[in-house]
Amino acid sequence: GQQLNQSPQSMFIQEGEDVSMNCTSSSIFNTWLWYKQDPGEGPVLLIALYKAGELTSNGRLTAQFGITRKDSFLNISASIPSDVGIYFCAGRGNEKLTFGTGTRLTIIP
Amino acid sequence: SAVISQKPSRDICQRGTSLTIQCQVDSQVTMMFWYRQQPGQSLTLIATANQGSEATYESGFVIDKFPISRPNLTFSTLTVSNMSPEDSSIYLCSVYQVTEAFFGQGTRLTVV
Repeated sequence: GQQLNQSPQSMFIQEGEDVSMNCTSSSIFNTWLWYKQDPGEGPVLLIALYKAGELTSNGRLTAQFGITRKDSFLNISASIPSDVGIYFCAGRGNEKLTFGTGTRLTIIP
Repeated sequence: SAVISQKPSRDICQRGTSLTIQCQVDSQVTMMFWYRQQPGQSLTLIATANQGSEATYESGFVIDKFPISRPNLTFSTLTVSNMSPEDSSIYLCSVYQVTEAFFGQGTRLTVV
């Protein structure tokens, strides 16, 4: 099935650094969602975006719905060890979600 | 947010056998979704299950291989039939609340 282009594929950062990842699509979406998945768990919703241009924060997380409705980014400020995991973007056009390829975040001690 | 329980959480199965995965939601929902996540990969939609009608399958997935039941508005099952090692994946069920999708913890299937 269709997947969104998500970058970077992986990131190795030090604790305290800021993180930025993004998703781009050839299709327009009405909703953008960002998820985090820990090993052995299902994806957990972090942030939902509903309107083009919308900028939304959830604690240290900030996400934006691109003005063209074809892209979104997620920023994490001042990373901490529990931020480790895989982050997925997902776009919703009709009833179905299309998932990004994922960004694996690793924090180097 | 919806609370979604999946059973089993993991299983190791012999090739050629079948496994049925259960998904229970704490509220009534119109549509339930089944996803597959192959090792190291993203989530791929298998099918959409509506209560009272046949599931709608995505390209590359067929009912004979992945039969789905949806007997009521809070429950669904996905069966992985005639399993082969290529079916080793995490299988996830999902529901919407308004426009946000929530997931169960997944079923990690290993076929040997």
